[in-house]
Amino acid sequence: GAVVSQHPSRVICKSGTSVKIECRSLDFQATTMFWYRQFPKQSLMLMATSNEGSKATYEQGVEKDKFLINHASLTLSTLTVTSAHPEDSSFYICSARARETIDTEAFFGQGTRLTVV
Amino acid sequence: AQSVTQLGSHVSVSEGALVLLRCNYSSSVPPYLFWYVQYPNQGLQLLLKYTTGATLVKGINGFEAEFKKSETSFHLTKPSAHMSDAAEYFCAVTPGAGNMLTFGGGTRLMVKP
Repeated sequence: GAVVSQHPSRVICKSGTSVKIECRSLDFQATTMFWYRQFPKQSLMLMATSNEGSKATYEQGVEKDKFLINHASLTLSTLTVTSAHPEDSSFYICSARARETIDTEAFFGQGTRLTVV
Repeated sequence: AQSVTQLGSHVSVSEGALVLLRCNYSSSVPPYLFWYVQYPNQGLQLLLKYTTGATLVKGINGFEAEFKKSETSFHLTKPSAHMSDAAEYFCAVTPGAGNMLTFGGGTRLMVKP
């Protein structure tokens, strides 16, 4: 199947700093990428949907100024957690959907464990 | 709007026993249904999916699921559990191509030797 690479897999940062997470589709073009957040022992909660070349659509309750999403190309989307705080510590997962496909399958990255100290 | 309910946040079976993970959904349109598996600190791996056609879907690692419209269910089964099946399993639904997935709460499968 298609491969989505997410980097870094783990990051520890100090409170108040910003962290950027990258999500790349390695062997297909992704018109749509999704960013999820997963708290321990819980399900995935959609944060935002990004389409290449346009602004991301954020889910209710997600601060768009805090979680900056950029989808500048068909193979790369980035999530930047700005001014991170300990409560932002979580597991972040991206997924990408290939363009021009009737298949609804979304491919997931490996996830990023963010710890804010 | 779509929603997914996974009955049982934890399921424990003995190695070699039948695995049954339950998933019920609600959808205003014919749904596309998925099962994903997640190992610790990893992303999600697709086990199987139902879009159209045959309602019994076979996936990887010996898993299968049956779409039952009348019961709005998509339960995941495996005839004989293996220790390596221990993981978190998520059922998800989407109303169609290009739309986001809505996930159930997840079920942690534990396999006892």
